[in-house]
Amino acid sequence: GIQVEQSPPDLILQEGANSTLRCNFSDSVNNLQWFHQNPWGQLINLFYIPSGTKQNGRLSATTVATERYSLLYISSSQTTDSGVYFCAVGVLTFGEGTQLTVNP
Amino acid sequence: GAVVSQHPSWVICKSGTSVKIECRSLDFQATTMFWYRQFPKQSLMLMATSNEGSKATYEQGVEKDKFLINHASLTLSTLTVTSAHPEDSSFYICSASDTLGYGYTFGSGTRLTVV
Repeated sequence: GIQVEQSPPDLILQEGANSTLRCNFSDSVNNLQWFHQNPWGQLINLFYIPSGTKQNGRLSATTVATERYSLLYISSSQTTDSGVYFCAVGVLTFGEGTQLTVNP
Repeated sequence: GAVVSQHPSWVICKSGTSVKIECRSLDFQATTMFWYRQFPKQSLMLMATSNEGSKATYEQGVEKDKFLINHASLTLSTLTVTSAHPEDSSFYICSASDTLGYGYTFGSGTRLTVV
């Protein structure tokens, strides 16, 4: 089956810093989503982005489908951004996630 | 946007009993729903695909007799963990795909603890 790799596995930031999370996938897909899992386990759908670029406030995402990767950008990070960020493709195969900690 | 409601949010049950988890699509019809399992500090693993009006499709290694799935209507799928044991303790979460272009929407999850 399709493989999804996320990097980095862990990321610690100071509040206000910017970051980039990466998702590589092993085969062409027609669906790619980024999620934020909060401390209570809820998966928040950040972006549905099988290709192209989208922005939502301080977050933006870019998927280059031909090169099989997607990037999630977080600007001016806040402590509430802490949690696990998952990339998922297809129906749905999840990566292992990036554990983000934003310190005040 | 699409909303998926999952109930209960958490449940504690005794070993040997059965637990039913409900997943509802509130503002769209879902002919297909998905059930995932997540252990602490791990990613989500697809357990089964629930199809309205037909049998569920289980992923390799998932016991279909232990995890009973029923998808009796276009807005409701249920997962029943039968004869639960402590090793079944986990976070179970469902999802559905709408036709509105939002991709897959997830329920809030159910934290099952078997004692």
